[in-house]
Amino acid sequence: GEDVEQSLFLSVREGDSSVINCTYTDSSSTYLYWYKQEPGAGLQLLTYIFSNMDMKQDQRLTVLLNKKDKHLSLRIADTQTGDSAIYFCAERRTSGSARQLTFGSGTQLTVLP
Amino acid sequence: DGGITQSPKYLFRKEGQNVTLSCEQNLNHDAMYWYRQDPGQGLRLIYYSQIVNDFQKGDIAEGYSVSREKKESFPLTVTSAQKNPTAFYLCASTDRGRPGNTEAFFGQGTRLTVV
Repeated sequence: GEDVEQSLFLSVREGDSSVINCTYTDSSSTYLYWYKQEPGAGLQLLTYIFSNMDMKQDQRLTVLLNKKDKHLSLRIADTQTGDSAIYFCAERRTSGSARQLTFGSGTQLTVLP
Repeated sequence: DGGITQSPKYLFRKEGQNVTLSCEQNLNHDAMYWYRQDPGQGLRLIYYSQIVNDFQKGDIAEGYSVSREKKESFPLTVTSAQKNPTAFYLCASTDRGRPGNTEAFFGQGTRLTVV
C-alpha cells in the first residue's frame, strides 16, 4: 500500500468547515505538509507542521497532528468556492536524501454553492 | 521574482518519438525533482538530482532520462520506451543545504499527450 493515504473526494457546502484527513506510516517523519493544486497548475504549499507539534493554526487553516496514530488533518473554516482544488498531504522523512517528500494521492475538495 | 518555470505547458507526442520537457529555476536550489501525476494516483517520483552532474532514479524511472549540467536546469526526456507517457509532469526544487523545513517549490506543470 501507499505510505501516505488520503480519501479521494470531499464535498462541502459553502460556508461550512472542511476536514481533509491523511494517514502516514513513517514514524521518522519530521515535517508534514499540506499542498493545494488548482486545475492545470502546480502545487502550492498551504501550511506545514513540525512533528513535535500537535496543532498549528493559520487564519482559516488548522492542522492537527496525532503522532501516535500517524494521522494528520487539515481543517478549512468557512470554506469558499475558491477553496475547490486537490489537497495533497506530504511527509518529509529524516533519511537526509533528496527523496524528501512522499505525497498522498490527493483529496479533491468540491465546494457547493 | 524567483521561481520554477516549466515549458511547454502542453505537449503532444507521436508514437515512437522522444520529447524533452524543460524545467528551469532561479531559486539557487541544489535539489530538483521530476514527478508524474495521474488521476487518483498522486505524485510519483521519476528522477531527482541533489547536485550538478548527479541524478538518481526515482520510483518510476523506466522510459525516462534526465541531465543536470547546470544548477538551474533539469530537463526530462520522455523516450519511446515509455509505454504510457500521457500524464501531467511536475518539476520541483528544494534548498537541500538549508536546515530545518525544506519546502518544495513546484512549477506549473506540463501536460503531455500521445497522439
